[in-house]
Amino acid sequence: KAGVTQTPRYLIKTRGQQVTLSCSPISGHRSVSWYQQTPGQGLQFLFEYFSETQRNKGNFPGRFSGRQFSNSRSEMNVSTLELGDSALYLCASSLARVGSGSGETQYFGPGTRLLVL
Amino acid sequence: AQRVTQPEKLLSVFKGAPVELKCNYSYSGSPELFWYVQYSRQRLQLLLRHISRESIKGFTADLNKGETSFHLKKPFAQEEDSAMYYCALPRIQGAQKLVFGQGTRLTINP
Repeated sequence: KAGVTQTPRYLIKTRGQQVTLSCSPISGHRSVSWYQQTPGQGLQFLFEYFSETQRNKGNFPGRFSGRQFSNSRSEMNVSTLELGDSALYLCASSLARVGSGSGETQYFGPGTRLLVL
Repeated sequence: AQRVTQPEKLLSVFKGAPVELKCNYSYSGSPELFWYVQYSRQRLQLLLRHISRESIKGFTADLNKGETSFHLKKPFAQEEDSAMYYCALPRIQGAQKLVFGQGTRLTINP
């Protein structure tokens, strides 16, 4: 089975711009979660989508949004970029929702490294 | 607040020595806990989960409810164990989301 793929792998943007990141989960996986990884804050949960619905959201401002399509592919959007948004954005997919007890193992993608100048 | 804490940011041991990566949690109820690992230039991946009680790559972790800990142990460290290790909780305050500790960078010296 192909693993989780994320595009693009690297991105450079300037402050005020917006960006859209894409994640293709493992075939058959219905849950997609997004995380932000920075040296200072570590791995922080952004949101989870399951069956095209956002099920959970982390403590991030409304500039961070996402969606999931019927084929379980997901996109994450960040509007009005700030310098502090520079990070590695990880996507993970699983058969079931995290915390459901079965099929919850998350498989991570390679990440999209975003640099905001 | 429910959280998971990894008190050591860096840990360095010699090859062949025992290694223990600490993880403490604050959680009301029966927690489920995971250890994830990220090797250099590789993806973050699940190492083990306490519910399966298995040993992966020689690592084990026991849930100690009295001490609220889920330390990761290996009796004889190998150079290929050098990586970033994260302890994680899949539920926090009733919400189903994976919450990670800050991580511990383990370096195995030859």
